Amino acid sequence: QKEVEQDPGPLSVPEGAIVSLNCTYSNSAFQYFMWYRQYSRKGPELLMYTYSSGNKEDGRFTAQVDKSSKYISLFIRDSQPSDSATYLCATSLRAGSYQLTFGKGTKLSVIP
Amino acid sequence: DADVTQTPRNRITKTGKRIMLECSQTKGHDRMYWYRQDPGLGLQLIYYSFDVKDINKGEISDGYSVSRQAQAKFSLSLESAIPNQTALYFCATSDTGLAGGAGELFFGEGSRLTVL
Repeated sequence: QKEVEQDPGPLSVPEGAIVSLNCTYSNSAFQYFMWYRQYSRKGPELLMYTYSSGNKEDGRFTAQVDKSSKYISLFIRDSQPSDSATYLCATSLRAGSYQLTFGKGTKLSVIP
Repeated sequence: DADVTQTPRNRITKTGKRIMLECSQTKGHDRMYWYRQDPGLGLQLIYYSFDVKDINKGEISDGYSVSRQAQAKFSLSLESAIPNQTALYFCATSDTGLAGGAGELFFGEGSRLTVL
């Protein structure tokens, strides 16, 4: 079993929908949880990160971590066509760790 | 100009050929990485370097070698390319993260390699 599991999709939603992207992980020692966004033909870029359990909000994006169930979520409100990308979750054991464990990525399309 | 630049962006080669992918960065970061991305497998770490004299194998280093020519330059070589090395390769950088935080990775735009 891979340490971080992510449904690869693809996921297609209409513009304005609420999107929920999810990952599960197996190593309870993971402390940092990240979401990277990757546009087509581009490298991933960090979208958000959270430490331990809880929520973090940034505009239309909310990252949520539930360490008790080892579940990571990214919610996108009022989705836009510009949100169409592949979203990768990632975890690490400690601050500044070089060793990130990535999910496979979920490809999202927001249809106008 | 991009902070992390990879060359070439696309390369088609034949089995057995030697290939070098180059990466240069202007972010001033000490740490540099090479990742491989395959559909359905996600990102896998090939090699990483904390400084010019500190180079380490990642989870899938077999068949690859690297060279850290300077703080800003990190090259990945395939000594004898094989078809299952066909993939999208990313160079990335990060700072030491000593101030805390998740140690954000900054990726280049990728080098698509096809081995026939």
